[in-house]
Amino acid sequence: KAGVTQTPRYLIKTRGQQVTLSCSPISGHRSVSWYQQTPGQGLQFLFEYFSETQRNKGNFPGRFSGRQFSNSRSEMNVSTLELGDSALYLCASSKNYNEQFFGPGTRLTVL
Amino acid sequence: AQKVTQAQTEISVVEKEDVTLDCVYETRDTTYYLFWYKQPPSGELVFLIRRNSFDEQNEISGRYSWNFQKSTSSFNFTITASQVVDSAVYFCALGSGETSGSRLTFGEGTQLTVNP
Repeated sequence: KAGVTQTPRYLIKTRGQQVTLSCSPISGHRSVSWYQQTPGQGLQFLFEYFSETQRNKGNFPGRFSGRQFSNSRSEMNVSTLELGDSALYLCASSKNYNEQFFGPGTRLTVL
Repeated sequence: AQKVTQAQTEISVVEKEDVTLDCVYETRDTTYYLFWYKQPPSGELVFLIRRNSFDEQNEISGRYSWNFQKSTSSFNFTITASQVVDSAVYFCALGSGETSGSRLTFGEGTQLTVNP
């Protein structure tokens, strides 16, 4: 059974640009959550999607957005990138509310 | 508000030693889930265990064991006879409320180094 996949694995952008990250959940999982991991703030919840609807949102500015497609694949977008957006972005999928399985992450560097 | 505290930032042990990673949580919800994840240098979070708030039985899985105590709001993780491959960052996490598993609050993590 394939795990959660995230693309790209590494990304370098400059300030002011925008970026789109992709996440494909485990087959049969309808919930996808996104997390940001930085050395200073640790692991923080961004948002969660279920059946193409955003169900939960963390405390991040509106520059961070996401969506989910009918096949449960999800994308997150960050507009007007700032240096502080450099982080490891982790996606997790869940079949029910009991556990989440994480992907390998996308490491974003903003120069 | 929910909070998870892992007071040990770094732990260093010698192979074959036992090591316990501490986790203290705060939540007002009566239904919640506690998790432990392992993050090796590759970055992927590896699921280790999930425990719900109604099940205080301790669990053992090979060299790993978990001690859940609601009275002290703690969910500690012990590795017996540690090995070099156990070296990683370990995270304790809490999920509560209606979507208890889909929105997790993580602790700061404990960097475990097992030396040969």
